[in-house]
Amino acid sequence: EDQVTQSPEALRLQEGESSSLNCSYTVSGLRGLFWYRQDPGKGPEFLFTLYSAGEEKEKERLKATLTKKESFLHITAPKPEDSATYLCAGHGTASKLTFGTGTRLQVTL
Amino acid sequence: GAGVSQSPSNKVTEKGKDVELRCDPISGHTALYWYRQSLGQGLEFLIYFQGNSAPDKSGLPSDRFSAERTGGSVSTLTIQRTQQEDSAVYLCASSLSGAAGETQYFGPGTRLLVL
Repeated sequence: EDQVTQSPEALRLQEGESSSLNCSYTVSGLRGLFWYRQDPGKGPEFLFTLYSAGEEKEKERLKATLTKKESFLHITAPKPEDSATYLCAGHGTASKLTFGTGTRLQVTL
Repeated sequence: GAGVSQSPSNKVTEKGKDVELRCDPISGHTALYWYRQSLGQGLEFLIYFQGNSAPDKSGLPSDRFSAERTGGSVSTLTIQRTQQEDSAVYLCASSLSGAAGETQYFGPGTRLLVL
């Protein structure tokens, strides 16, 4: 059975304090590893898809990387508006995405 | 449309009543998915549509849950005889063709509370 585990569950950073979120996965026949951002009361917003180990993608202060067992979401010099829950999901041989439980990020001034 | 839309945004119902949740996918997307997000838990897959057919219903938790899609567009998720454990956010997503590794775009969700 496919499994995705995210850590930490919650992370509190000061503005400008860089850090990384971890996503460990066991997904049969991985077709894509997805990162989404979810704000309270809203649906997940797509950020990145990674398809193969070694791949990296960047968007503003975010960079996602992928190995054969893990993905990392690096946040460089975060701002308060980066506060959200970040979700990781794997797409394997089935049609569905298998999601982790997310990391709740809070960035304070 | 510009994005996936869902209605209603919130629904409060009494235990035992039936509810219908609606999803309008992105125009032109043939693949449609329903997920459920319970408090403190990850998104849980319910059902996948390709056109009007549902090749994967493996996530529906019981026979009280059913879904249909008509005209290759709008989908309705129906929960019969609701129970308190059905309280959750029901999220709909669509993707262009359902191809492996394709991005799924999510709607805002319907927040269901069963009293």
